[in-house]
Amino acid sequence: DIQMTQSPSSLSASVGDRVTITCRASQGISNYLAWYQQKPGKVPKLLIYAASTLQSGVPSRFSGSGSGTDFTLTISSLQPEDVATYYCQKSGTFGGGTKVEIK
Amino acid sequence: QVQLQESGPGLVKPSETLSLTCAVSGYSISSGYYWGWIRQPPGKGLEWIGSIYHSGSTYYNPSLKSRVTISVDTSKNQFSLKLSSVTAADTAVYYCARLVVVPAAMPVWWFDPWGQGTLVTVSS
Repeated sequence: DIQMTQSPSSLSASVGDRVTITCRASQGISNYLAWYQQKPGKVPKLLIYAASTLQSGVPSRFSGSGSGTDFTLTISSLQPEDVATYYCQKSGTFGGGTKVEIK
Repeated sequence: QVQLQESGPGLVKPSETLSLTCAVSGYSISSGYYWGWIRQPPGKGLEWIGSIYHSGSTYYNPSLKSRVTISVDTSKNQFSLKLSSVTAADTAVYYCARLVVVPAAMPVWWFDPWGQGTLVTVSS
């Protein structure tokens, strides 16, 4: 079974900072990776699919990259409304999540 | 716009069967797509439970497969989850979602949209 490992598990950054979250697959998965944002008490929301394609309506400060086993979610300028837990996913497997807070 | 809504008992006794239904609006299940269930224990991460096609073909998480049954009722435009022999470890928010499946050599999908989720507590 494929394992998805996210790092860090949590981070604190200032408004306007560039934030990077990493997801590593235990075996190559091409670009078959999605990212979700789950704000506190809310439903997970698809942000990015196919590793780098932004879902409709998602702000352009979010971007994804990677292929094979290593993937990155980047928030170019952190905003207060970005406080959330972010999950990567490859089909039936989710990463453990990265909690993003404002410093 | 596709919308999904979970329903079912919020409290289930240990060893009994958890039963939930997901009503779909804005799209006919019989037109296609896979549909699935995901759960999230309080304060923890997401776990895929299983998925079903409108034809009835199912795919289950191997870790839950022995206890899970997912079915579809196209006449009511809904699909259902049954999880047997529940314990406190099955306490979670249960979400239903539509799967976007990508043609590929390996199984590839992501979930969009999601229902609002329903908390199910297993306790006597």
